[in-house]
Formats: sequence, C-alpha cells, structure tokens
Amino acid sequence: KQEVTQIPAALSVPEGENLVLNCSFTDSAIYNLQWFRQDPGKGLTSLLLIQSSQREQTSGRLNASLDKSSGRSTLYIAASQPGDSATYLCAAGGGSQGNLIFGKGTKLSVKP
Amino acid sequence: NAGVTQTPKFQVLKTGQSMTLQCAQDMNHEYMSWYRQDPGMGLRLIHYSVGAGITDQGEVPNGYNVSRSTTEDFPLRLLSAAPSQTSVYFCASGNGYEQFFGPGTRLTVL
Repeated sequence: KQEVTQIPAALSVPEGENLVLNCSFTDSAIYNLQWFRQDPGKGLTSLLLIQSSQREQTSGRLNASLDKSSGRSTLYIAASQPGDSATYLCAAGGGSQGNLIFGKGTKLSVKP
Repeated sequence: NAGVTQTPKFQVLKTGQSMTLQCAQDMNHEYMSWYRQDPGMGLRLIHYSVGAGITDQGEVPNGYNVSRSTTEDFPLRLLSAAPSQTSVYFCASGNGYEQFFGPGTRLTVL
C-alpha cells in the first residue's frame, strides 16, 4: 500500500530564504506526483505535476524534482515571500485512473 | 471556465439525517473523485469515477454513496449522517494527468 510522508510538518523561515520541502513515497511504481498548495479554509491549488518519466518541473520560483528509485520528491521555493505562507501537499498518483495518495502536508510560514 | 464547483460551502446536520453534496465540473473530464480531509489524517479518497455510469470505492467508502449519470456531475450522498463524518469534503476532476480540486464543503454532524 502506497504511503506518502512529508517532512517537516511545519517550517518557519525569514523572507527571502530559499527552502526545500520533502516528500517521500513507499511504492516507486507511481504514475505521477503532484504538488498542491492549500491556504487556510480553502481548496487545493495545483502547483506542479511531474510525470513518472520526468525528473523535474519548474514554474516561476518553484521547482519540483522526482527520484523514483529513492522514492523522493522535493519542492524548491526560491526567494520565499510572505505570500508563500500556506500548507504544501504532495500526492502520488497510483495509476491512469488518477487516484491520489496524499501526504499530510508541510505548513510553511514566511516571516517578513 | 468555472472549473470544479461544490455546493453547499457549509452544512450542519443532525445524526441520522441524509444529504447530498453536489459537485460539478465544466472541463469535460472523465475522472472525478471525492476526498475527505481530517486533522492529522490528511486527504483520503472516498469514491471515484472514471466516466459516466462507472464508479468505484476508495479508501474510506463506508456511509457514502455516489452515482455518475453525466460527465459533469458527481454527487456524494450521506445516507445516515454520523458524527464521524464531520469533515471537509473535496471534489476533484482530472484529465488523466493532472487533478483539479473544488473549494470544499465543510460538514458538521451533531
């Protein structure tokens, strides 16, 4: 059974710092890996999607990498801003049906 | 495009009552799903559908029913609400690659 773990559970950094959020999964036979952002009381916003055949994806200040052999993905945020404060969730896609297994998230706080 | 819409945004039920959470998408996605989000548990899959007329169970299906009569709509029915079903419910739709989530329904069962 696929299990997804995110470490740390919470992270506080000063504005401007570069940071890395970690995601690990137990079954390397994933279809894709998706990173989401969730603001308090809101829904999930898709940030980046990495297909199983890809190594990384970039969008603006965000870069996500995928290493299936080690069961790890990282989300790199460059030059963090207070507006980046949110909970970040990673989810492993288990097949073409699209079912996602979620980690419990990393709550990020960026201090001005 | 409105994307994925959910109604209602908030709902309070008494134990034993039934209700339907509505979900609609306008992206012509075949795949739709329902998740619940609970503190300390993360998001867990309740039911999903890979197309009209096709549904299947996820990780936590007990106490919930679904049907998929059209591509656009995927309602979630609570047959007899229990306090354990107090949660935030998210509907999602996908194109086989990426999934998009609705704003959620916050349900409290007293």
